[in-house]
Amino acid sequence: QKEVEQDPGPLSVPEGAIVSLNCTYSNSAFQYFMWYRQYSRKGPELLMYTYSSGNKEDGRFTAQVDKSSKYISLFIRDSQPSDSATYLCAMSANTDKLIFGTGTRLQVFP
Amino acid sequence: DGGITQSPKYLFRKEGQNVTLSCEQNLNHDAMYWYRQDPGQGLRLIYYSQIVNDFQKGDIAEGYSVSREKKESFPLTVTSAQKNPTAFYLCASNFGTGGNQPQHFGDGTRLSIL
Repeated sequence: QKEVEQDPGPLSVPEGAIVSLNCTYSNSAFQYFMWYRQYSRKGPELLMYTYSSGNKEDGRFTAQVDKSSKYISLFIRDSQPSDSATYLCAMSANTDKLIFGTGTRLQVFP
Repeated sequence: DGGITQSPKYLFRKEGQNVTLSCEQNLNHDAMYWYRQDPGQGLRLIYYSQIVNDFQKGDIAEGYSVSREKKESFPLTVTSAQKNPTAFYLCASNFGTGGNQPQHFGDGTRLSIL
């Protein structure tokens, strides 16, 4: 079993939809949780960074962490075609080692 | 503009050849990392360095080598011992240790075999 599981998609939604992206993990020592967005042929770009459990909102993006269920989510409101990309979750304990999910490919069509 | 610069964008390797990928950052970050990205596998850590003149192996270090002679630079050499080098290579950096500093990435180098 992988330490971090993420559905690869693709997830295809119409413009304006609310998108929910999720990851589950097995290591209860993880405390720092990140979401990255990666466009084709580009490096990952940090979208959201949270520590421990709770919610964090930034514009159209909301990150949720439920440590009791070992489950994290990224919600995108009013999705746009420019949101079409691969979304990677990543997490770490008190170390520099980041563990990544395999990424979910999102397509937002007009 | 501050950032991480990787070069070249595309690189081709012949059999038996070593190739070096460049990574330079002007963010004044202490730590730097090299990852390999393959389809459907996520990012895997090759090597990382927390300070100049020191580096540690990651999960898939075999067939790769690195150096850290300057804070700003962390080049990766893919040696002929790496039998499956075709992949997208990503360099990242952050301010330091402990897991509480998110990593920031360059735009990658795509390496292919001729």
